[in-house]
Amino acid sequence: QQPVQSPQAVILREGEDAVINCSSSKALYSVHWYRQKHGEAPVFLMILLKGGEQKGHDKISASFNEKKQQSSLYLTASQLSYSGTYFCGTFSNFGNEKLTFGTGTRLTIIP
Amino acid sequence: ETGVTQTPRHLVMGMTNKKSLKCEQHLGHNAMYWYKQSAKKPLELMFVYNFKEQTENNSVPSRFSPECPNSSHLFLHLHTLQPEDSALYLCASSQDRVSYEQYFGPGTRLTVT
Repeated sequence: QQPVQSPQAVILREGEDAVINCSSSKALYSVHWYRQKHGEAPVFLMILLKGGEQKGHDKISASFNEKKQQSSLYLTASQLSYSGTYFCGTFSNFGNEKLTFGTGTRLTIIP
Repeated sequence: ETGVTQTPRHLVMGMTNKKSLKCEQHLGHNAMYWYKQSAKKPLELMFVYNFKEQTENNSVPSRFSPECPNSSHLFLHLHTLQPEDSALYLCASSQDRVSYEQYFGPGTRLTVT
């Protein structure tokens, strides 16, 4: 079963903040976040492992709440370059090779 | 050449044709993947190879046939496809199957007429 992402789409002005959520019905071992710009390949952003960690680089960070089986991606002071579709991918347990992707969240940043 | 490359970038084929997609990774990774990306659908994992051995076949129809001759190359052989197979086919690689990030190639845009 694929993880559910919300919102499906969001439009922000440059400088505003965004939160993208990823929820699973299964217990999770890890959550991956990717961004795909139109016409390009998905690009890895970060992995969060079981243990409830938070990660971040630049103004993009994420949290993983394994009890709630969900992860959130935080984009702070968004820039035009942040536009794209964000996907979360989940592994339900260690040793399960199948990274299952959510349906994506389309983020549009306008000047 | 660095990263993950895919050829061709665009392919138009008839339903009776046979064609192959090629993927090459220059990252020294051990795992390689084929994904299908259709409009308004999530990325669908098709096949996983780890150390050249197929470890996952995600209920993919037999008209798609993967081949992994070595850890750096991955092929997807196509025959008697259907129009609904039109999609972006993405290849990816990772250091191992589970905990490492996946690096994606640019994809092959396939149109079946």
